Amino acid sequence: GENVEQHPSTLSVQEGDSAVIKCTYSDSASNYFPWYKQELGKRPQLIIDIRSNVGEKKDQRIAVTLNKTAKHFSLHITETQPEDSAVYFCAAGYTGTASKLTFGTGTRLQVTL
Amino acid sequence: NAGVTQTPKFQVLKTGQSMTLQCAQDMNHEYMSWYRQDPGMGLRLIHYSVGAGITDQGEVPNGYNVSRSTTEDFPLRLLSAAPSQTSVYFCASSYSTNWGTEAFFGQGTRLTVV
Repeated sequence: GENVEQHPSTLSVQEGDSAVIKCTYSDSASNYFPWYKQELGKRPQLIIDIRSNVGEKKDQRIAVTLNKTAKHFSLHITETQPEDSAVYFCAAGYTGTASKLTFGTGTRLQVTL
Repeated sequence: NAGVTQTPKFQVLKTGQSMTLQCAQDMNHEYMSWYRQDPGMGLRLIHYSVGAGITDQGEVPNGYNVSRSTTEDFPLRLLSAAPSQTSVYFCASSYSTNWGTEAFFGQGTRLTVV
């Protein structure tokens, strides 16, 4: 089955700096890679996703890149703000079955003033 | 439109008790799934359904049963609760179209087995 590894497990940045979280996956058949943000005690919320036919996708301060050959994808957050503080999860799956996902173990991002 | 609704939000069980976690969605999504979330381990798939009457096992199915008699509901049954099943449980549903897909999560059920 699919295996997703995520690094780092914790990340502390100063407000305004950039944050990068990296994930690798094992199943070359995976073609859907979402990123979720989870605040304490809340449900995971989708913040951005990318499909395997696209190398990069951007939404305001958030971007995701995908390298299919190396089987890794990354989340980039620019101009970080205190409200970006949360746990971020990467996941891998298939576009036809978006709720059947294999998740990474999460990155706790702390944005300090 | 309530999205994905899970009940209860909190539950304490004694070892050996059984219970059902409820999940309902009003978005007419075909796909539904159950995950458990444990500290440092992300979310792990327990069971999955691609439509009414069709279910499949995920990564950690032991000790859990599911059924899907309607498109809207996907209950998760704990047969004989064990302390190792203490976790936060999330239900999710998703759609799939030619132009995109997205999984929506319920608010979670925090289960403690003592």
